[in-house]
Amino acid sequence: ETGVTQSPTHLIKTRGQQVTLRCSSQSGHNTVSWYQQALGQGPQFIFQYYREEENGRGNFPPRFSGLQFPNYSSELNVNALELDDSALYLCASSSWDKPEGTQYFGPGTRLLVL
Amino acid sequence: AQSVTQLGSHVSVSEGALVLLRCNYSSSVPPYLFWYVQYPNQGLQLLLKYTTGATLVKGINGFEAEFKKSETSFHLTKPSAHMSDAAEYFCAVKGRGSTLGRLYFGRGTQLTVWP
Repeated sequence: ETGVTQSPTHLIKTRGQQVTLRCSSQSGHNTVSWYQQALGQGPQFIFQYYREEENGRGNFPPRFSGLQFPNYSSELNVNALELDDSALYLCASSSWDKPEGTQYFGPGTRLLVL
Repeated sequence: AQSVTQLGSHVSVSEGALVLLRCNYSSSVPPYLFWYVQYPNQGLQLLLKYTTGATLVKGINGFEAEFKKSETSFHLTKPSAHMSDAAEYFCAVKGRGSTLGRLYFGRGTQLTVWP
């Protein structure tokens, strides 16, 4: 069973730039959720993708957007980067038809915005 | 709406001592409850979860947690701490019956284990 993978592991950007983060879900899972974890905080839900559509969004502005592909992998895009976007970005995969099921997390992408 | 409060951002214990990490939740519907562990520079790993049935849940690495509805608590315990348990621990809640798979996390508890 292949686990959740994310790329890149680290990224440095400057304010105003755009970034794309990638996530491959665990085999057998069809749902991807993205979380932002600021330093010293718990993860905060950004959004979730199922059947290639956004299905639920947390309190994040529209410059945070995403995609899900037919193979269930996903991208998180952030436009017009701000200093406060510096964080660990985690993706998690799960099965839509198992609401009680576990979300399995990838190792994360650490983004630093200068 | 759901939320989680983890009492104590830092907990220190000696090796071999009892570990107790506190979690209280708020949920407008019956909850699913989770404990995750995060080692430095890594993602989150599931320790255990409560969905239904037995309220005492056993997880990996000797950890267990008890769901107490009357106290809205889901505290994590381990009888004897090991140096390898040093990490950050997160409690999370998800509303049962919700089609949205959003997890609400607490702010985390950093566990330090002294030799």
